[in-house]
Amino acid sequence: GAVVSQHPSRVICKSGTSVKIECRSLDFQATTMFWYRQFPKQSLMLMATSNEGSKATYEQGVEKDKFLINHASLTLSTLTVTSAHPEDSSFYICSAREFSGKQFFGPGTRLTVL
Amino acid sequence: KNQVEQSPQSLIILEGKNCTLQCNYTVSPFSNLRWYKQDTGRGPVSLTIMTFSENTKSNGRYTATLDADTKQSSLHITASQLSDSASYICVVSATGNQFYFGTGTSLTVIP
Repeated sequence: GAVVSQHPSRVICKSGTSVKIECRSLDFQATTMFWYRQFPKQSLMLMATSNEGSKATYEQGVEKDKFLINHASLTLSTLTVTSAHPEDSSFYICSAREFSGKQFFGPGTRLTVL
Repeated sequence: KNQVEQSPQSLIILEGKNCTLQCNYTVSPFSNLRWYKQDTGRGPVSLTIMTFSENTKSNGRYTATLDADTKQSSLHITASQLSDSASYICVVSATGNQFYFGTGTSLTVIP
């Protein structure tokens, strides 16, 4: 089956630093990639949708200047959490959708901001 | 308002027993409904996907049903195993590829 990877799987950083998370579709081309955030015992919350080569569309309440998304190719999207604070600590999950419309989730990245 | 509600919120069952998880939705226009299993600290993994015309789909010990008239779906797990302990998420997509997530059911299987 299609595989989506995320790197790193977990990261711990100091408050005020920036963290970059990569999402890759390993064996298919993703027309669209989605970034989600999941707090403990809650469901996934969509943060933004990105299409290759164009600007991401952010959900209401998500700061685009804080969560920078780059979708440089059909197999790679990155999420950069700028000037991270403890309240940004969460589980970040990406998903990639191929041309047929099937969507596959990555394994997630656990971000802890101290 | 497009919503997906799941019940129960959490469930504890003995190993070997069966269980059924519920998903009610108000998403319209409906495109498909998916059940995902999410292990703690991992991304969701797809179990089943059903379109409007499908009312049952199985994947091993997992059987999903869909009643598009009442906008209800269920996920039945047969002969539960300890490895079934996870969160089960119902995701309904509307035409135009909008996805709506349920809050999930946390299942714990105990020996």
